[in-house]
Amino acid sequence: SQQGEEDPQALSIQEGENATMNCSYKTSINNLQWYRQNSGRGLVHLILIRSNEREKHSGRLRVTLDTSKKSSSLLITASRAADTASYFCATRVEAGSYQLTFGKGTKLSVIP
Amino acid sequence: DVKVTQSSRYLVKRTGEKVFLECVQDMDHENMFWYRQDPGLGLRLIYFSYDVKMKEKGDIPEGYSVSREKKERFSLILESASTNQTSMYLCASSPAPYNEQFFGPGTRLTVL
Repeated sequence: SQQGEEDPQALSIQEGENATMNCSYKTSINNLQWYRQNSGRGLVHLILIRSNEREKHSGRLRVTLDTSKKSSSLLITASRAADTASYFCATRVEAGSYQLTFGKGTKLSVIP
Repeated sequence: DVKVTQSSRYLVKRTGEKVFLECVQDMDHENMFWYRQDPGLGLRLIYFSYDVKMKEKGDIPEGYSVSREKKERFSLILESASTNQTSMYLCASSPAPYNEQFFGPGTRLTVL
């Protein structure tokens, strides 16, 4: 079964607006990661947040993690057309696990 | 920059053919992964390897095998390709289990 579930499945915004995507998961995690995928390409790592962290920033990206609610959010501020992509959360379920489990993604469209 | 390359961007094969997908990484990473990505199903792990000649099954290993004879190279083998193996195949590498994964550009395989 899917560990991470992104919400919404699709999001369309105007350039300059902020975009917020959410990820919910089911079991305890070691860390949670966000990736971006441009159409037909490989995934690119954006940010990793550990289970003992609550918030992390990278440029225009802000990630929060609420382990009590088993959820994370990715905020992209001042969006650009180049941010158009699919965004995935991925969780590492337990400390000894090599495996990342990916959600199905949120498809973001930024309209110029 | 870490570079993960995959042997083909697009591949068309016939049912029953043996198919080799090659992945090479240039950053001396211990861990390598093969995923397939299908619409509505997200990324699913087929196999991974944490060392040369070592391999572990992921979530959907049936119909696939892998080979890791050298640290930098991880091959995915479809012994007898079937139409339900038509998919996007993504290779990734990682320096350590807890770290981010670096993805190749993907191979879009069509089995006719």
